[in-house]
Amino acid sequence: RKEVEQDPGPFNVPEGATVAFNCTYSNSASQSFFWYRQDCRKEPKLLMSVYSSGNEDGRFTAQLNRASQYISLLIRDSKLSDSATYLCVVNGDAGNNRKLIWGLGTSLAVNP
Amino acid sequence: NAGVTQTPKFQVLKTGQSMTLQCAQDMNHNSMYWYRQDPGMGLRLIYYSASEGTTDKGEVPNGYNVSRLNKREFSLRLESAAPSQTSVYFCASTPRERTYNEQFFGPGTRLTVL
Repeated sequence: RKEVEQDPGPFNVPEGATVAFNCTYSNSASQSFFWYRQDCRKEPKLLMSVYSSGNEDGRFTAQLNRASQYISLLIRDSKLSDSATYLCVVNGDAGNNRKLIWGLGTSLAVNP
Repeated sequence: NAGVTQTPKFQVLKTGQSMTLQCAQDMNHNSMYWYRQDPGMGLRLIYYSASEGTTDKGEVPNGYNVSRLNKREFSLRLESAAPSQTSVYFCASTPRERTYNEQFFGPGTRLTVL
């Protein structure tokens, strides 16, 4: 099993749709979880951290399920500008950035 | 603030040539990182510097060397480039070496080794 797995997609959705991505991780000791966004041929940028209690930022909601070892990202009312690759990031070693494990990403295309 | 800057943006090398990728940040961050991103592999850490004066190997350090010149600058050197080093290279920084700190990335360097 890969350390961090994501469905590569692509997810093609119309504007205004709700779309959800999941990401599974293999290390049950992982403590920190993130969603990054990467536009085509650009650098990754932090979208949101994922907290145990779940968190919401506008149209974006992130959830953590420790029992099943996955995190999720829900995007409501999709915009054309949401088209990007969404990277799931998990730490493999508590307390520092050296052991961040990056998923391969899920590609989202929002269509007019 | 420019954030994290990288030079060059693009580079083509022949096998065996050497080059240095430059990275600088103006956010007064302590920790800096070099990653490579390849299709089907995800981002992989090459080297990192937890603070000025220290450097450590990451997941894929072979064929690379680094220098933390000062707090702002962290360079990556390829001494004898190989086709396997064709990749997109990203430099990143964080305020401290803690997992929950957001990583700020530079725009990347696209390197092709022929």
